[in-house]
Amino acid sequence: GAVVSQHPSWVICKSGTSVKIECRSLDFQATTMFWYRQFPKQSLMLMATSNEGSKATYEQGVEKDKFLINHASLTLSTLTVTSAHPEDSSFYICSASPLAKNIQYFGAGTRLSVL
Amino acid sequence: GEDVEQSLFLSVREGDSSVINCTYTDSSSTYLYWYKQEPGAGLQLLTYIFSNMDMKQDQRLTVLLNKKDKHLSLRIADTQTGDSAIYFCAESNNGQNFVFGPGTRLSVLP
Repeated sequence: GAVVSQHPSWVICKSGTSVKIECRSLDFQATTMFWYRQFPKQSLMLMATSNEGSKATYEQGVEKDKFLINHASLTLSTLTVTSAHPEDSSFYICSASPLAKNIQYFGAGTRLSVL
Repeated sequence: GEDVEQSLFLSVREGDSSVINCTYTDSSSTYLYWYKQEPGAGLQLLTYIFSNMDMKQDQRLTVLLNKKDKHLSLRIADTQTGDSAIYFCAESNNGQNFVFGPGTRLSVLP
């Protein structure tokens, strides 16, 4: 149980294009999903907290117009990196928290490479 | 703000026990977690402990919590090569906002 699916696992795109990453909780409902960014050999950096049916809460320094988050249902949140540039290249990981449980289950991550 | 510290590297021989240590600063931490990350993958929840506990054992894993010293450890008994990974300690005071440590890279030598 408690499986979080993240798709795609790896994406290469040209500079200036937009990329959408999906995060799905497969066997549980999640009112809250989280989006993290991880640089090589570093820990996770929380980008935003996404609550179903409401606007995401972004961490300081994260551009909300650059990283669009949508959490339309209790099992799906999406992160769209708009007008991606090489500096956006990174490993993006989502997590989901089941209702009334104080645990985050993580997706497998998406490696974004912007050329 | 809250901070979580871990040593960055640990090497052990296959079959030995590994002990990964973590310290945190938030005295109101209620939940403490250990996650494992293999190369190119997401984080896998290994175990977690509530702050009103001082020990939790799950098969080869033993978590010890010293709340007074704000010190958490993860012991892996009979360490195997498949245990080689990065181990992240995390704390939360509300079960929603997690603060992660920098991760400890465990290398298991044959």
